[in-house]
Amino acid sequence: DAGVIQSPRHEVTEMGQEVTLRCKPISGHDYLFWYRQTMMRGLELLIYFNNNVPIDDSGMPEDRFSAKMPNASFSTLKIQPSEPRDSAVYFCASSSDRGRGGGGELFFGEGSRLTVL
Amino acid sequence: AQSVTQPDIHITVSEGASLELRCNYSYGATPYLFWYVQSPGQGLQLLLKYFSGDTLVQGIKGFEAEFKRSQSSFNLRKPSVHWSDAAEYFCAVGAGNTPLVFGKGTRLSVIA
Repeated sequence: DAGVIQSPRHEVTEMGQEVTLRCKPISGHDYLFWYRQTMMRGLELLIYFNNNVPIDDSGMPEDRFSAKMPNASFSTLKIQPSEPRDSAVYFCASSSDRGRGGGGELFFGEGSRLTVL
Repeated sequence: AQSVTQPDIHITVSEGASLELRCNYSYGATPYLFWYVQSPGQGLQLLLKYFSGDTLVQGIKGFEAEFKRSQSSFNLRKPSVHWSDAAEYFCAVGAGNTPLVFGKGTRLSVIA
């Protein structure tokens, strides 16, 4: 069974450019999470969805960040315009409810490493 | 809201020695508890989890963890560390309808 699939694995771009990160969750999972990992701040939850609906986006750093989930099998995280401080590894994770809401086991993708020059 | 503390940023152990990584959480009720491992350049992989029942939980790769409610702890242990265990380890706590909260991680180095 395929796990969470993220693309691209690596992205190098210049400041001011638009960046789009993509995620395909595990089939049947109804929760999807976007995390950002940096040395300084560790793993930060940016936003999460339940049944394709954004539930909490309070972790999104600023208006330059946006996320969508148009269907159960696809989500995007967009940064426009990008800045050097956005350089990080961005992880997508998915989960199934099983009565535990958003607090159940997460399955992570391998991450997208973003470098903004 | 729940929180997680991993007091040790970096631990170095000798190959074959025992290992204990500490994790303390803060939450008013019984939480869901997890340990994840992250190898360089990889995503996080679940080692083990606790939802309810037996407080000693067995995981993959020979790891185990014990939930101690009185100490609000969920420490990870392994009796004999292998060089391949060198990685970053994250403790996480979940609670009902709120997403997992992760600790800052403990980096494990293994020396010969």
